[in-house]
Amino acid sequence: GAGVSQSPSNKVTEKGKDVELRCDPISGHTALYWYRQRLGQGLEFLIYFQGNSAPDKSGLPSDRFSAERTGESVSTLTIQRTQQEDSAVYLCASSQNRVYEQYFGPGTRLTVT
Amino acid sequence: GESVGLHLPTLSVQEGDNSIINCAYSNSASDYFIWYKQESGKGPQFIIDIRSNMDKRQGQRVTVLLNKTVKHLSLQIAATQPGDSAVYFCAERLDSGYSTLTFGKGTMLLVSP
Repeated sequence: GAGVSQSPSNKVTEKGKDVELRCDPISGHTALYWYRQRLGQGLEFLIYFQGNSAPDKSGLPSDRFSAERTGESVSTLTIQRTQQEDSAVYLCASSQNRVYEQYFGPGTRLTVT
Repeated sequence: GESVGLHLPTLSVQEGDNSIINCAYSNSASDYFIWYKQESGKGPQFIIDIRSNMDKRQGQRVTVLLNKTVKHLSLQIAATQPGDSAVYFCAERLDSGYSTLTFGKGTMLLVSP
């Protein structure tokens, strides 16, 4: 079947605007992760969804960041009042409840001008 | 964590050479480790994993070595090919109670024909 997909692939926005990033996980995968990757750096964990459990939001850098997931399907990461330091690639991954078998999407490159 | 800014550590090798990429991990209680490969413009892809009760694991052309005494992980790639050019990340699970991974900052591997 298809892998993890993300949209848009690229997003340019003005400082102060809100953005929504979408992730479609692999069908049947109960776990979904969002990461941020700044240029030339590693992956920074943001948030983790597992089934119907309360999400692990411990990685969200500020209250401007939020995410939702509908059941075990699509997830949306929302960044409100974007700042230039939010510019990064946002990666989504899904797994079948095994943290070590994460399948990553291609990412959304966000540029805040 | 520390920032390496825009400059990743880089390993340059000739096609056919063996490559060794190193990673120092943070937590002596970490029980699971993974190596990921990230090609330009793509999400990370799983390469190989190892549990903390092992010190070596081999895959196809790749070997992971774990030294828990000094908290060091390495990825060996045999007969490196131009298609191996990518950024390589190590990741650790801090202990079995965690459902997320902590990623290292990455090493860029450049393979010349």
